[in-house]
Amino acid sequence: QVQLQESGPGLLKPSETLSLTCTVSGYSISSHYFWGWVRQPPGKGLEWIGIIYQSGTTYSNPSLKSRVALSIDTSKNQFSLKLNSVTAGDTAIYYCARTAVVGFNCFDPWGQGTLVTVSS
Amino acid sequence: QSALTQPPSASGSPGQSVTISCTGASGDIGYYNFVSWYQQHPGKAPKLMIYEVTKRPSGVPDRFSGSKSGNTASLTVSGLQAEDEADYYCSSYAGSDNLVFGGGTKLTVL
Repeated sequence: QVQLQESGPGLLKPSETLSLTCTVSGYSISSHYFWGWVRQPPGKGLEWIGIIYQSGTTYSNPSLKSRVALSIDTSKNQFSLKLNSVTAGDTAIYYCARTAVVGFNCFDPWGQGTLVTVSS
Repeated sequence: QSALTQPPSASGSPGQSVTISCTGASGDIGYYNFVSWYQQHPGKAPKLMIYEVTKRPSGVPDRFSGSKSGNTASLTVSGLQAEDEADYYCSSYAGSDNLVFGGGTKLTVL
């Protein structure tokens, strides 16, 4: 059974860099899937952040692309998200999930999510 | 502002059917058959209910079905049950290695 778990600091100050890691268990991230991030501001809808393949190929939301860095560590079965220059607008629950290679619109399963708050 | 448009709310009585719409554009829903629907209960992670417009993952009841016409995709829940009360989000591949979500629809079972 595939399980994903997000980890990282829950509180950041404006201008700092958000760093989250997703640890995958029960499945190899070296398999033929993309691994991605989606966020949800409190009480609001979902926003796609980006995805990464085992080779290191990445695709990101154009609105976040300049601030997003994705990486993958196949030896640890983990992938990570960095979002720089955060503001209060980046406060959200951040989810990691697995998705299909073709059309990459099939996020399943999801991690439980981790709340990241940006506040001075 | 979300790229895909969903009604903020929908409702139905137990046993009835309800359809939730998701309107995009010719460059996303209208062009690609990569539309997905997610169910989210309060405080929980989203759950994939439909992918590639009409396909159901293993374990999703056949009461849930998806369709598409032009630039609009739809999710239909038949035989409404109390546990179907949740938020539902659509998403679509939008070309140029981009993905968009809808703003979400709160489904209430009366």
